[in-house]
Amino acid sequence: DGGITQSPKYLFRKEGQNVTLSCEQNLNHDAMYWYRQDPGQGLRLIYYSQIVNDFQKGDIAEGYSVSREKKESFPLTVTSAQKNPTAFYLCASSIMGGAGTEAFFGQGTRLTVV
Amino acid sequence: GQQLNQSPQSMFIQEGEDVSMNCTSSSIFNTWLWYKQDPGEGPVLLIALYKAGELTSNGRLTAQFGITRKDSFLNISASIPSDVGIYFCAGLHSGGSNYKLTFGKGTLLTVNP
Repeated sequence: DGGITQSPKYLFRKEGQNVTLSCEQNLNHDAMYWYRQDPGQGLRLIYYSQIVNDFQKGDIAEGYSVSREKKESFPLTVTSAQKNPTAFYLCASSIMGGAGTEAFFGQGTRLTVV
Repeated sequence: GQQLNQSPQSMFIQEGEDVSMNCTSSSIFNTWLWYKQDPGEGPVLLIALYKAGELTSNGRLTAQFGITRKDSFLNISASIPSDVGIYFCAGLHSGGSNYKLTFGKGTLLTVNP
């Protein structure tokens, strides 16, 4: 089945450690996105990518890094520079342009930093 | 970043009642999307709107793309307990080669059986 897979579902890390969240899609979508969700908050855009080897900062990129070496994959690294990393992270993908520019989401990764 | 104002923040209704929620923006969007999120899960797309004035239905759900392209609403008719969740609107601004989805803060819907 086509879809977006995020792993792991739950992740625990010690403060000061970098951690990488995985996002893979087999929908042949060009665009991929990472969002952060805090309790009672909407989705805030961290980074997005419209093409392989290119990505743009979203609204809250500080303390995060991404790569887009393959069309199917868009991993997110939460670095030790992120002051408040505990959150629910959501990855999404979409085609680009005109009708059909809907974003489809993965199941999310809940990161807890202790 | 761009801001979407979504209202109401939360709603408590009785099963069988109709529900209405809306989003407004100071910016023009090319696409409006409505999502539902269950606890601990990713949002699921409910309805996509692509043209100003467009009215689209999906079962008991109806959404409209505002004429000004700066607003959208979602209606749920005859609510049932499984409608419980957080509903998000999202606007897509596409300028040149830049595609960026902006989300509202969500409407938490509680349905009392």
